[in-house]
Amino acid sequence: GAGVSQSPSNKVTEKGKDVELRCDPISGHTALYWYRQSLGQGLEFLIYFQGNSAPDKSGLPSDRFSAERTGGSVSTLTIQRTQQEDSAVYLCASSLEGYGTEAFFGQGTRLTVV
Amino acid sequence: GNSVTQMEGPVTLSEEAFLTINCTYTATGYPSLFWYVQYPGEGLQLLLKATKADDKGSNKGFEATYRKETTSFHLEKGSVQVSDSAVYFCAPNQGGKLIFGQGTELSVKP
Repeated sequence: GAGVSQSPSNKVTEKGKDVELRCDPISGHTALYWYRQSLGQGLEFLIYFQGNSAPDKSGLPSDRFSAERTGGSVSTLTIQRTQQEDSAVYLCASSLEGYGTEAFFGQGTRLTVV
Repeated sequence: GNSVTQMEGPVTLSEEAFLTINCTYTATGYPSLFWYVQYPGEGLQLLLKATKADDKGSNKGFEATYRKETTSFHLEKGSVQVSDSAVYFCAPNQGGKLIFGQGTELSVKP
């Protein structure tokens, strides 16, 4: 597709369940980012993939959060044993090379943990 | 660690007023600097960028100059419009990783 695609657009889950959020970056983009935006808050960095390098996971808030990127393209963010404080909009972005290049954002997945 | 400090919002202006949104950052070296904008109901999009010291990024009447001496990248517009109402985010790119400020909400009244 022409832009970054995220699915689902909305997800409601019960506390304690696992969820998977998917991101399809722009074709050919080597860099992929995940961010979290809570109500009234800024964007919190979660994880950054660049090509074949080891991902920068420094923003993951706990070991319940993990992400992978298969074949240098599609990425999945997994949250295990969800908690209410995980409720937020999860944003994915991709860029051509990472450093110095524009990041293009998806519309996000709104996660609600009840 | 790296961090970004933006002017707190919300900022409310009348149409045709002058806008400044301050942004300062801490980083090692000289990161590329970006301003992103989020219009109501829309996704984040790039507004402008500057990749080296003294560069000026500009778009849609907005400008920001990369000031390495003060580690700042303040956003300015000479005459705002109602359609500029949005949330604005300052973001240095440090080693490929974009670090966002908390965002500044701008509301422009007719």
